[in-house]
Amino acid sequence: EPEVTQTPSHQVTQMGQEVILRCVPISNHLYFYWYRQILGQKVEFLVSFYNNEISEKSEIFDDQFSVERPDGSNFTLKIRSTKLEDSAMYFCASSRTGILSSTDTQYFGPGTRLTVL
Amino acid sequence: QKEVEQNSGPLSVPEGAIASLNCTYSDRVSQSFFWYRQYSGKSPELIMSIYSNGDKEDGRFTAQLNKASQYVSLLIRDSQPSDSATYLCAVERGATNKLIFGTGTLLAVQP
Repeated sequence: EPEVTQTPSHQVTQMGQEVILRCVPISNHLYFYWYRQILGQKVEFLVSFYNNEISEKSEIFDDQFSVERPDGSNFTLKIRSTKLEDSAMYFCASSRTGILSSTDTQYFGPGTRLTVL
Repeated sequence: QKEVEQNSGPLSVPEGAIASLNCTYSDRVSQSFFWYRQYSGKSPELIMSIYSNGDKEDGRFTAQLNKASQYVSLLIRDSQPSDSATYLCAVERGATNKLIFGTGTLLAVQP
């Protein structure tokens, strides 16, 4: 069964460093999302992406964040200058049509645990 | 008012019992509702989706939706220790159908 993959599974970085989190969505999916979950807190929406541009972003997704689909398969989240409070699990998700229904949903990747020291 | 509210638990039930998980949401416009299961340190795993009022059954799981009351529930019959996890209620929102999650209810099934 196709699945969303994410690399790395765990990233440790120093405060102020740039990190790039990578995702490979399911191959025929067109809508891509990033969510994050700070330890012990709820899963929060960061950004949605369709047709090579951001469709929607949350208040969390400030100028330090950017997303890109550099080729036909990868979808990346870049944090330009990491802060301690960026430590969280980051989940990538994809859906085929973007219309949630009985025939489509968002499939989540396994996540990248980001630790900022 | 939180957009999606859940009792954080823990909800403790004996093996074989029915576990009942509840969720309320604030935006009447939402049309799609989801229950995800999340094991510690893992990603959310979709277990049920529901789009219209009433009940939807899938194996041991039944989702119930009442749009008038803005209420979604999940029943787990014949609970097993492997069902012990955090159950996340999620509501789709907006033009891009992003998911808004509740804080989750921790379910502990006692052998």
